[in-house]
Amino acid sequence: GAGVSQSPSNKVTEKGKDVELRCDPISGHTALYWYRQRLGQGLEFLIYFQGNSAPDKSGLPSDRFSAERTGESVSTLTIQRTQQEDSAVYLCASSLVVTVLNTEAFFGQGTRLTVV
Amino acid sequence: AQSVTQLDSHVSVSEGTPVLLRCNYSSSYSPSLFWYVQHPNKGLQLLLKYTSAATLVKGINGFEAEFKKSETSFHLTKPSAHMSDAAEYFCVVSDRRGSSYKLIFGSGTRLLVRP
Repeated sequence: GAGVSQSPSNKVTEKGKDVELRCDPISGHTALYWYRQRLGQGLEFLIYFQGNSAPDKSGLPSDRFSAERTGESVSTLTIQRTQQEDSAVYLCASSLVVTVLNTEAFFGQGTRLTVV
Repeated sequence: AQSVTQLDSHVSVSEGTPVLLRCNYSSSYSPSLFWYVQHPNKGLQLLLKYTSAATLVKGINGFEAEFKKSETSFHLTKPSAHMSDAAEYFCVVSDRRGSSYKLIFGSGTRLLVRP
């Protein structure tokens, strides 16, 4: 597709259930980011993938959160045993090879997760 | 570590008047800086980016920002606000750690435009 695609766009889940969020980056983009945006707040970095390098997981808030990416394609963010504080919009972004710091990141529309 | 501080959580202007959204950065090396805009129920869109080629950066929709190293600032301006400019604006710095280039977002400034 032309842009970053995320699915589902909305997800309501019961507390304690596991959820999986999907991100399809722009074709050819080697860098992929996941961010979390709580209501009325800024973006919180979660994880960064760049090609075959080890991902930067420094932003994952707990061991309930994990993410995978195969090569330069789809990424999935998994949240286990969801809690109400996990309710947020989860945003994915991708960018071209990041060898300089000023590469633009393109964002998807996000997945709005509500834990009830 | 790199960081950005957006000094105002909300800015309200009248349509047709100038816009100033303030951003200060902290960086141990020459930073890469961006401004993104988020309209309600829409994705984030890049407004402009500082590439070190020029200190005054022009972006889309008439916005521009000036990089001032002496003041560690990267304020966003527009000469004349339009109703469609009402949105959330984020100042962003790129933080390099080894092979990681994560983007660090400010807390955001909500721009309100009064008719």
